[in-house]
Amino acid sequence: AQSVSQHNHHVILSEAASLELGCNYSYGGTVNLFWYVQYPGQHLQLLLKYFSGDPLVKGIKGFEAEFIKSKFSFNLRKPSVQWSDTAEYFCAVDLGAGSYQLTFGKGTKLSVIP
Amino acid sequence: DGGITQSPKYLFRKEGQNVTLSCEQNLNHDAMYWYRQDPGQGLRLIYYSQIVNDFQKGDIAEGYSVSREKKESFPLTVTSAQKNPTAFYLCASSPLGGDTSNYGYTFGSGTRLTVV
Repeated sequence: AQSVSQHNHHVILSEAASLELGCNYSYGGTVNLFWYVQYPGQHLQLLLKYFSGDPLVKGIKGFEAEFIKSKFSFNLRKPSVQWSDTAEYFCAVDLGAGSYQLTFGKGTKLSVIP
Repeated sequence: DGGITQSPKYLFRKEGQNVTLSCEQNLNHDAMYWYRQDPGQGLRLIYYSQIVNDFQKGDIAEGYSVSREKKESFPLTVTSAQKNPTAFYLCASSPLGGDTSNYGYTFGSGTRLTVV
């Protein structure tokens, strides 16, 4: 079974700092990759997804992620964070067509200090 | 607007009782899922269903049961056999097949279950 690792449990940044959250997965075949965000008290929202094609994926709210197949990684980035980005971020993987089972990492809490 | 409705938002259960969490979707998605979220654990798959009257166990199915009598509905029962049921439960749905622009998972707003 596939697994997903998120390297940081809690990240604290000042506003305007750059963000990179790590995500690695453990499956050698075709995967679909997702980043979700959960703002305090709210439900999971999709930030971005990668299925194929350009490995640099742009999502909502200025987030982007880069798929590096050789490193089994899908790191999330944002050039300049805002206080409103304070949330928990989850990386998730499914095994492509026919699997439809999403496996999540344990999440990274991001706290942005004004 | 299409979406997933979970109810209730908060649920309290006495030890030894079974409780059922509701999940309804109007997205016409074939597949539905139940996840459990615990602090620091991410989301773990309990059960999933890709078609009416069929469902499969996920990673942590023990102590839970589900049914899928209608495409729109996928209720989860937390039984008295679940040793540690206090958690946040999330329901999700996804289409099967189709092009990648439509593919993805939609989540409900969750039910927080507390055993008292």
